[in-house]
Amino acid sequence: QKEVEQDPGPLSVPEGAIVSLNCTYSNSAFQYFMWYRQYSRKGPELLMYTYSSGNKEDGRFTAQVDKSSKYISLFIRDSQPSDSATYLCAMSARVTGTYKYIFGTGTRLKVLA
Amino acid sequence: DSGVTQTPKHLITATGQRVTLRCSPRSGDLSVYWYQQSLDQGLQFLIQYYNGEERAKGNILERFSAQQFPDLHSELNLSSLELGDSALYFCASSVGWGSNTEAFFGQGTRLTVV
Repeated sequence: QKEVEQDPGPLSVPEGAIVSLNCTYSNSAFQYFMWYRQYSRKGPELLMYTYSSGNKEDGRFTAQVDKSSKYISLFIRDSQPSDSATYLCAMSARVTGTYKYIFGTGTRLKVLA
Repeated sequence: DSGVTQTPKHLITATGQRVTLRCSPRSGDLSVYWYQQSLDQGLQFLIQYYNGEERAKGNILERFSAQQFPDLHSELNLSSLELGDSALYFCASSVGWGSNTEAFFGQGTRLTVV
């Protein structure tokens, strides 16, 4: 079983829709949770990061963490065609003096005009 | 533009060869991370350096090595290359080393092993 599971999609939605992207994880040691957006043939771009359970909002994006369920989500409101990209969840944990970084495989999102 | 510079952008080489990928972090960033992204494995963390010292190690093969120099640029050396090493290699940088909460990625080096 992978430490982080993410549905690869593709996910197609009409413009203006609310998009929900999710990841589940198995290691309760993960402390930091991040969402990256990656356009084709480009480097990942950090969208949001959270440390604690709960919601964090930034413009049209809301990151949600539920540590008890080991579940994180990214919501995109009023989705735009420019949001079409692959979204990667990522998490890190401190492990005996060092850190562990794990990425999900990414969900491909297509927003249709 | 993230401010992280990777060279070269593309590299084609034969099996058994050795290559060096270079990364210049953002100004002021002391941490450098290396990642490998392939179609079937997703983004895999390889190794992290902070101010010249190795700080975290992921799934890096023994054929691969990295270092960070006094001017903070980093190099990833890949040797005895195999077809399966074909992938996008990303470098990222951040100010601190505790986590990659605000790591900025370069545009990657696309390595093709033939």
